[in-house]
Amino acid sequence: DADVTQTPRNRITKTGKRIMLECSQTKGHDRMYWYRQDPGLGLRLIYYSFDVKDINKGEISDGYSVSRQAQAKFSLSLESAIPNQTALYFCATSDSRLAGTNWAGELFFGEGSRLTVL
Amino acid sequence: RKEVEQDPGPFNVPEGATVAFNCTYSNSASQSFFWYRQDCRKEPKLLMSVYSSGNEDGRFTAQLNRASQYISLLIRDSKLSDSATYLCVVGTGRRALTFGSGTRLQVQP
Repeated sequence: DADVTQTPRNRITKTGKRIMLECSQTKGHDRMYWYRQDPGLGLRLIYYSFDVKDINKGEISDGYSVSRQAQAKFSLSLESAIPNQTALYFCATSDSRLAGTNWAGELFFGEGSRLTVL
Repeated sequence: RKEVEQDPGPFNVPEGATVAFNCTYSNSASQSFFWYRQDCRKEPKLLMSVYSSGNEDGRFTAQLNRASQYISLLIRDSKLSDSATYLCVVGTGRRALTFGSGTRLQVQP
């Protein structure tokens, strides 16, 4: 079983629908992240969480919200999906104890959730 | 200007060739640097960290030039299995990592 699990893996929805992407991890890491990937644009950070009580916006948070329900769970919501939110979404985790001089530490990614908004 | 810039490629090279990728970053305060590898339709995975003195891991060598703000990755004796997209990743202060858009490598038999 994967250490970082994303559900659903694929989803097709319509404009205006509410969508939730879920992420759970068994790595025991305290930090979790949501990125989206678009062709030619690389991975862009949506939201990140240092721990259950700490949520931070990334560079493209508009139109998204998150919830850190437990240390192991971090969900991403699109309140009213629009076509330009069609992308591949990745959840990632890192361990602050291993970060050292690198603040973020090595990222461990889930397998991705491919979302299509029609 | 993007914070992390890479040549998107693709780089098409024969097996056994040596290939080098460069990446530039815009923030002089950046202090941590990595190369991640992403196979088609898969999640990115850490390939190697990049240290100031340069570092090597088997056929892979990473270099950092702080004065010019660029990072390089050299792959020697390319294998078919090296075909992937290589992502340059930069850490700056107390922020999450910033990813370049990636350089695609295709190793030909």
